[in-house]
Amino acid sequence: KAGVTQTPRYLIKTRGQQVTLSCSPISGHRSVSWYQQTPGQGLQFLFEYFSETQRNKGNFPGRFSGRQFSNSRSEMNVSTLELGDSALYLCASSLEGIESFFGQGTRLTVV
Amino acid sequence: GIQVEQSPPDLILQEGANSTLRCNFSDSVNNLQWFHQNPWGQLINLFYIPSGTKQNGRLSATTVATERYSLLYISSSQTTDSGVYFCAVDMIKAAGNKLTFGGGTRVLVKP
Repeated sequence: KAGVTQTPRYLIKTRGQQVTLSCSPISGHRSVSWYQQTPGQGLQFLFEYFSETQRNKGNFPGRFSGRQFSNSRSEMNVSTLELGDSALYLCASSLEGIESFFGQGTRLTVV
Repeated sequence: GIQVEQSPPDLILQEGANSTLRCNFSDSVNNLQWFHQNPWGQLINLFYIPSGTKQNGRLSATTVATERYSLLYISSSQTTDSGVYFCAVDMIKAAGNKLTFGGGTRVLVKP
């Protein structure tokens, strides 16, 4: 069974631009969560979507947003990029309330 | 929110040695997972273990939910065990999936 797929794997953007990252969950999983990993802050929860609705949200500014489509695929968007947004962005999918499985991540560099 | 602390932060082992990693958490949880982060950043599932004991080859884990801690045992360590190990939990009172990660234990196994 295919795992969680994130695209793109690497991205370089300029300050002020916006970026969209994509995540395809494991087939049958309806919960998709996003996490940011930085050396200073570690792994932090961004938000979770379930059946196209945001169900949980972490403590990130409104520049970070997401959505989920009817096929459970999810996208996250970061607008007005800042240098501090450089990070590894990880997506996880889960069968309701149980084990989470992570994709390979998207490494975003903001210059 | 829930606090997750991992110890030790760093561990250097000689190949063949055994080790124990610890994860303490501050509230009741309904989900606890151990992950190994590979050099490319992907989080590899080791155990889903909200309570009890599980074994998988040279790795085993025990969670004592009533005392709010979990232990990951690595026996007969190999150089391929090197990397960062994360513990992540989800609160029992929360709906949906929202993992809170510990700071990780960085393991280096020397040949």
